[in-house]
Amino acid sequence: EAGVTQFPSHSVIEKGQTVTLRCDPISGHDNLYWYRRVMGKEIKFLLHFVKESKQDESGMPNNRFLAERTGGTYSTLKVQPAELEDSGVYFCASSQDLLGGQNSPLHFGNGTRLTVT
Amino acid sequence: AQKITQTQPGMFVQEKEAVTLDCTYDTSDPSYGLFWYKQPSSGEMIFLIYQGSYDQQNATEGRYSLNFQKARKSANLVISASQLGDSAMYFCAFQGRNTGFQKLVFGTGTRLLVSP
Repeated sequence: EAGVTQFPSHSVIEKGQTVTLRCDPISGHDNLYWYRRVMGKEIKFLLHFVKESKQDESGMPNNRFLAERTGGTYSTLKVQPAELEDSGVYFCASSQDLLGGQNSPLHFGNGTRLTVT
Repeated sequence: AQKITQTQPGMFVQEKEAVTLDCTYDTSDPSYGLFWYKQPSSGEMIFLIYQGSYDQQNATEGRYSLNFQKARKSANLVISASQLGDSAMYFCAFQGRNTGFQKLVFGTGTRLLVSP
């Protein structure tokens, strides 16, 4: 089966611009998550979708970040306007069932490396 | 808040030797899970192994095993017979009730370099 795919793999934008990251989860996976790793720090949770519904968006840093998952398939994460501190690697992950155990880990994509200059 | 600590920013091991990557956690959750992920230079995060807090035995998956010491709150990853392809970043992650069960809390990672 195809894994989690993210696009673009890299993005370089100027401060104040808008960027939209896309994630295609593994087919049939209702659960979709966004994480990000700012340079040198931990990978941190941003939000969790179940199908098209946001279950938990407690990790979203501020209202410049907007995540959508229309139709419960792919998801987008928009940053508008981007700031320097938004630079990092944004990971998308999916799972068929709710996270838990050997049989239901998160399957991650390769990430999108965002650089804001 | 849950905290995951990986104290080794970098580790070196020779091919075919075993290596232990440390992970400690701090939680008051009675039920939780611990995951290890590998991130090679290509960027993807690859799931390696899982340990549940109530599992009676330490988890094993091929050359990967988890040295789970619940009382010490440690879940160290042991890689046996290291291979050059094991060179990567390794992340320990925690899942528990207090974090909502649906989010992972990650450590800062350990970079493993396997030399010939």
